[in-house]
Amino acid sequence: SAVISQKPSRDICQRGTSLTIQCQVDSQVTMMFWYRQQPGQSLTLIATANQGSEATYESGFVIDKFPISRPNLTFSTLTVSNMSPEDSSIYLCSVRPGVEAFFGQGTRLTVV
Amino acid sequence: AQSVTQLGSHVSVSEGALVLLRCNYSSSVPPYLFWYVQYPNQGLQLLLKYTTGATLVKGINGFEAEFKKSETSFHLTKPSAHMSDAAEYFCAVRISGGSNYKLTFGKGTLLTVNP
Repeated sequence: SAVISQKPSRDICQRGTSLTIQCQVDSQVTMMFWYRQQPGQSLTLIATANQGSEATYESGFVIDKFPISRPNLTFSTLTVSNMSPEDSSIYLCSVRPGVEAFFGQGTRLTVV
Repeated sequence: AQSVTQLGSHVSVSEGALVLLRCNYSSSVPPYLFWYVQYPNQGLQLLLKYTTGATLVKGINGFEAEFKKSETSFHLTKPSAHMSDAAEYFCAVRISGGSNYKLTFGKGTLLTVNP
């Protein structure tokens, strides 16, 4: 299993600003995943972050909008840049040390 | 590519009644299947998973699910609902094998339990 600490747990931000979300895992993992969950919707994968290489982004997500860092095997950050109200969502960090995925508590972002 | 369809975005049951949440999947290769639960203001928690072997899998909190290959289904059941079961439930699928395969989620089913 894996325990994930994600912060902040929630934030209210002004449009045009950026927010960096941190994800700390209690064990070393090769890949970390970042998801977005828009209000009333399912989870959509934003990108996969490997240590020592650039993140791999899914269709519809770009590095300029969602830059990701992965400085070591237990930590990653996701930045939501130049925010607009459409970015209001829950952002979740996830790891998959084995078969199943484990998730952080999520960051509830409201952009006003 | 794989996909997941959860029938019913909202299911309402009475306390003590049977819970049945439906999930159908599409996968070109043998899948791994999962059910996750999301309580209000929390992340996702794994309820149960199917990888190989016994097709009836038991999970936490009295939930179980049966993998039916012929029906491409993985429905979640619980004999008797508790108020604490009220939450959002997500079915997910990925290709069996390496851990880097993409996990695809259904749209979720909101379970309401009435007293």
